[in-house]
Amino acid sequence: QVQLVQSGAEVKKPGSSVKVSCKASGGTFSSYAISWVRQAPGQGLEWMGGIIPIFGTANYAQKFQGRVTITADESTSTAYMELSSLRSEDTAVYYCASSPIVVVPAAFDYWGQGTLVTVSS
Amino acid sequence: SYVLTQPPSVSVAPGQTARITCGGNNIGSKSVHWYQQKPGQAPVLVVYDDSDRPSGIPERFSGSNSGNTATLTISRVEAGDEADYYCQVWDSSSDHGYVFGTGTKVTVL
Repeated sequence: QVQLVQSGAEVKKPGSSVKVSCKASGGTFSSYAISWVRQAPGQGLEWMGGIIPIFGTANYAQKFQGRVTITADESTSTAYMELSSLRSEDTAVYYCASSPIVVVPAAFDYWGQGTLVTVSS
Repeated sequence: SYVLTQPPSVSVAPGQTARITCGGNNIGSKSVHWYQQKPGQAPVLVVYDDSDRPSGIPERFSGSNSGNTATLTISRVEAGDEADYYCQVWDSSSDHGYVFGTGTKVTVL
């Protein structure tokens, strides 16, 4: 059973950056892809991008291209999501989620607890 | 980009059946996954690959997918099923990413 534990809540100023971590345990990190999903207050789920740690390459939703960077450190089984040029609309809960590596991108079977990022001056 | 449309809300009495639709262009050719999210909690996978259930998910949850509509069916609805439900697919078009539906609030009367 995979467990994903995320870093704590953050308060950021507009224009700054935030980096959220997601540490995996209980499974083989190299056998999973990690995605990041955000949810603004009262809104739905939005996929931001993902990474397959053994390959090290990430892909991003068009909306976030150029503003988000997703990385992974296999040595610590930790994935990171950094979002730059923050604005108030980025206030949201950010989740990491894992999916098994198969031929076709799979469902997210495990989720982190979420990290609230508040952007406010 | 690919769009998934869900009804904003579905109301159902305890013991009855709730059906939540997810509409998308030729969605029947894609694998659809469904998540349940209760207030203040992370989403939980309840159906994957159109109709498979993860371990621990009751048989009351089932899914189907054909043409332009996928459906999540919750049989013998219980008060604990009250939650938001989201469908999801992988879009292999130029965007190459996951897409979530707009979400449906299920209210148990």
